[in-house]
Amino acid sequence: DIQMTQSPSSLSASVGDRVTITCRASQSISRYLNWYQQKPGKAPKLLIYAASSLQSGVPSRFSGSGSGTDFTLTISSLQPEDFATYYCQQSYSSPPELTFGGGTKVEIK
Amino acid sequence: EVQLVESGGGLVQPGRSLRLSCAASGFTFDDYAMHWVRQAPGKGLEWVSSISWNSESIGYADSVKGRFTISRDNAKTSLYLQMNSLRAEDTALYYCAKDYTAVPRGADYWGQGTLVTVSS
Repeated sequence: DIQMTQSPSSLSASVGDRVTITCRASQSISRYLNWYQQKPGKAPKLLIYAASSLQSGVPSRFSGSGSGTDFTLTISSLQPEDFATYYCQQSYSSPPELTFGGGTKVEIK
Repeated sequence: EVQLVESGGGLVQPGRSLRLSCAASGFTFDDYAMHWVRQAPGKGLEWVSSISWNSESIGYADSVKGRFTISRDNAKTSLYLQMNSLRAEDTALYYCAKDYTAVPRGADYWGQGTLVTVSS
């Protein structure tokens, strides 16, 4: 089974900061990596699919990069509405096994 | 507008069964894979199971393998999760989610979830 490790598990940042979240897979997953945002009491929202493709309607301050085992989600200029928990998810395996990372909570400094 | 409406959750005793349903609308259901994802209170997201558009590709998390069965009825545009031998650790909000492709790759639309509580 493929394990997904996110870091950090939480961070404090200010509006306008550049924020980077890392996700590492236990084996190569090519570019089969998605990023989600979840706010309290709400369903998750897809931000980035296939490692670097921006989901329709998602602001361009969000970007994803990486391939193989190491991936990053970057928020170029943190906005008040970006305070949330972020999850990575791999979808490389067959039969399907869409493992999530443990999450990164982005809090206000 | 894509809509996913889960139902079937509730309070159930350990060892009993429950069947979740997800009614889908607003898209061509049989063009897309579907997923069940759960979230225990105060915890992170846990993938449970996925099914391809034609039900030929199915996967389960190790934590539910052998106890849960995913299925879909394309004619009824509905997704199901049969949950047997339920345990306390299955207590969670269960989300139905639509994939962005025909095979399981990721979820671009999510329902609001149905709560399953396993307790005596």
